[in-house]
Parts: sequence; structure tokens; C-alpha cells
Amino acid sequence: AIQLTQSPSSLSASVGDRVTITCRASQGISSALAWYQQKPGKAPKLLIYDASSLESGVPSRFSGSGSGTDFTLTISSLQPEDFATYYCQQFNSYPQKTFGGGTKVEIK
Amino acid sequence: EVQLVESGGGLVQPGGSLRLSCAASGFTFSSYSMNWVRQAPGKGLEWVSYISSSSSTIYYADSVKGRFTISRDNAKNSLYLQMNSLRAEDTAVYYCARDREVSQIDYWGQGTLVTVSS
Repeated sequence: AIQLTQSPSSLSASVGDRVTITCRASQGISSALAWYQQKPGKAPKLLIYDASSLESGVPSRFSGSGSGTDFTLTISSLQPEDFATYYCQQFNSYPQKTFGGGTKVEIK
Repeated sequence: EVQLVESGGGLVQPGGSLRLSCAASGFTFSSYSMNWVRQAPGKGLEWVSYISSSSSTIYYADSVKGRFTISRDNAKNSLYLQMNSLRAEDTAVYYCARDREVSQIDYWGQGTLVTVSS
């Protein structure tokens, strides 16, 4: 089974900071990766699909990159509403899916 | 607007059963594959099960295989998860989630909490 390892598991950052989260797959998954944002008590929300495509309605400060085994989610200028937990998800083994362990972005 | 509304969660004893439902609206339910994804308290997301639009293809995570059964009723725009032989480790919020074609999940319900405890 394909495993996804996210790093870091948590980070502290200030408003306006550039934030980078990585997701590493245990084997190559081409561009079959999505990124989600989850706030406490809420359902996850799709941010990035197919590794680098911005979901409609998502602010342009979010971007995704990578292919194969190494992927990155970048927030170019962190905003107060961006403090949340972020998950990557692979669908190369569709319809079975795997999620990364999550990265909690906290206020410094 | 796509809406997915789960129901049926609650407190159940170990070894017991529970049936979750998900009511879908705002899209052509019969055209989309669906999933159940769960999240234990304070933990990450875990994919549980998948069902294709016509119910012809079904998959389960190893952790629930043989105990859980996914099904759907396209006439009622509804998705179900029958959970039997429940264990403490099945305690989680269960989300109903839609697949975007043959790819990632694009919409999630608000979740329903299942607590397995004596």
C-alpha cells in the first residue's frame, strides 16, 4: 500500500510568513495528489487537485507542486484564516486512497 | 450547491451495530462514486470504503473489511454504511465524501460521530 509522509507534523508561523509543507509518497504516484485544509470541528476542504491545480474559489496564495514521490503545498503569505491542519491525499491507487498524517499550522 | 448530510451516528457498545446514512443533494448523485472517510478523535483522516456510481465496484480498507458494508440507493440519493462487530478503535467522526471523476475527493459532508464504548 502507498504511504504518505507529511512534514513537519506541526509548525508555528506568523501572519505574512511563507509556509511550505511537504508530502512524500512511498512509491511514485505521478501527479495523483490532492491537498485539503481542515479547521477544528469542520470537514476537510479541497485546496489543490492533481498536485498543482488550484481548486475554484481557493485564494491564489495557495499553490502545489511536485510529481512522482515528492510534493509541496506552499502558502505564499499566511493569513489569519489559514491556521488549520493540512492533509495530502493520493489517488494513484484509485479507488483506494491514502492520506498523509497531517500538518497543523499554528500561530506563532 | 453540493450538499452531503450524514446521520445515524451515536453511542454503541463493543460488538454492536450501527447504520450510517448520507443524503446527497445539489448534484446528479447517480453519476458519482462515493466514499466513507473517518477521523478518530484528535487523529488524521482514514479512508474507509468506496462505491462506484452503479454499485458495481466496492472497496474497503483492511481495518473494516468483513465488518462494514457500503451501499447506495440512487433513487433516494442516499449512501449508507452498515457497521457490524464494532470495536473501540472504530470510534470516529464518519464523513460521506464524493469523488471527482476518477480522482480525488472534492466534497465532504459535515460528519457524524460514532462512539463505541461500554
